[in-house]
Amino acid sequence: EDQVTQSPEALRLQEGESSSLNCSYTVSGLRGLFWYRQDPGKGPEFLFTLYSAGEEKEKERLKATLTKKESFLHITAPKPEDSATYLCAVPTFQTGANNLFFGTGTRLTVIP
Amino acid sequence: KAGVTQTPRYLIKTRGQQVTLSCSPISGHRSVSWYQQTPGQGLQFLFEYFSETQRNKGNFPGRFSGRQFSNSRSEMNVSTLELGDSALYLCASSLPTGEAGNTIYFGEGSWLTVV
Repeated sequence: EDQVTQSPEALRLQEGESSSLNCSYTVSGLRGLFWYRQDPGKGPEFLFTLYSAGEEKEKERLKATLTKKESFLHITAPKPEDSATYLCAVPTFQTGANNLFFGTGTRLTVIP
Repeated sequence: KAGVTQTPRYLIKTRGQQVTLSCSPISGHRSVSWYQQTPGQGLQFLFEYFSETQRNKGNFPGRFSGRQFSNSRSEMNVSTLELGDSALYLCASSLPTGEAGNTIYFGEGSWLTVV
């Protein structure tokens, strides 16, 4: 069964203190790995899609990387506005369908 | 470009009632999927529609149903509400092909409270 596991569950950082979030997956045929950001009371906001091992993508203070077994979301010099829950997800393996399986997320708090 | 629009944003229902939630996808998107989010279970897939046909279904009881219209709008219905159905219900849409791996965009969700 496909599984997505995220760690840590929660992370508190001082402003400017860089760190990484982990997403490990076991899927029978990866067709992309997605990162989303979710603020309280809102829907997930798309950040990145990674399709192959070795791929990297960046957006402001965030950089996502992918290996054959896991993905990392690196946060460089975070600011309080980066506080949110970060979710990773993989697409279904079912042919002819498009939906996602999500991890439980990492709740990031950046303290000024 | 307008995003995924969900209505209503908040609602309170009584146990045993039914509820219908609506979703308008991003213009041009034909794949619409629904998810339930609770503190205990996280984000769980309910069902996905493409060109008015249900293509995939998550592990939820038959009380949860949905449909898609010819203009790609979608509705989901929950009958005989239970307290455990209290959750944030999220609608999402993706590109016209709806192929797996295409980016999925989410709406702000509908908060359902069952009392």
